[in-house]
Amino acid sequence: DAGVTQSPTHLIKTRGQQVTLRCSPKSGHDTVSWYQQALGQGPQFIFQYYEEEERQRGNFPDRFSGHQFPNYSSELNVNALLLGDSALYLCASSLSDYRWSLYGYTFGSGTRLTVV
Amino acid sequence: DAKTTQPPSMDCAEGRAANLPCNHSTISGNEYVYWYRQIHSQGPQYIIHGLKNNETNEMASLIITEDRKSSTLILPHATLRDTAVYYCIVRVEGYGNKLVFGAGTILRVKS
Repeated sequence: DAGVTQSPTHLIKTRGQQVTLRCSPKSGHDTVSWYQQALGQGPQFIFQYYEEEERQRGNFPDRFSGHQFPNYSSELNVNALLLGDSALYLCASSLSDYRWSLYGYTFGSGTRLTVV
Repeated sequence: DAKTTQPPSMDCAEGRAANLPCNHSTISGNEYVYWYRQIHSQGPQYIIHGLKNNETNEMASLIITEDRKSSTLILPHATLRDTAVYYCIVRVEGYGNKLVFGAGTILRVKS
């Protein structure tokens, strides 16, 4: 059973550019969350998608946007990249109902974004 | 935003039990305690969670104090592969299930 798949694994972009990161959730999961993890810090919640809508959002600017598709896969878009956006971006999938408390999140291995 | 306090680092000898403490003194009655770990360059991995009873699974045991203000994650026989950052997280049951991570505890298992 495939877990959470993220692509690409590594990416180098220039300041001011735009980037799209992709996530395929674990089979059977319908909710996708995105996290940003700077070096040496814990993951920071960006937003969560369920039923193709943003359900919750953390303290991130509007340059960060997302999308969820009918097959539950998701994209994270970041516009006008800054050097400070360099981080590991993690995607986590989960179930939306009471079963979340039984199984929690399944995380992907992340996309390492470097902005130069 | 993190509602937990953990020591920044701990060492443990291989084969011995690793006991990782977590303080969550402001925890509410409907908040669960979750533990995740993150091995270098990988995504966080679920370990265990509990509400008020002690829990055990194939990976670890979770001991929650009676007042629920603190807990301890126990890895019964630590191996070198258990070297990782361990995160203790409290989460409100109900709508929206985001996890708020703190800085975690770096556990170093040494031979």
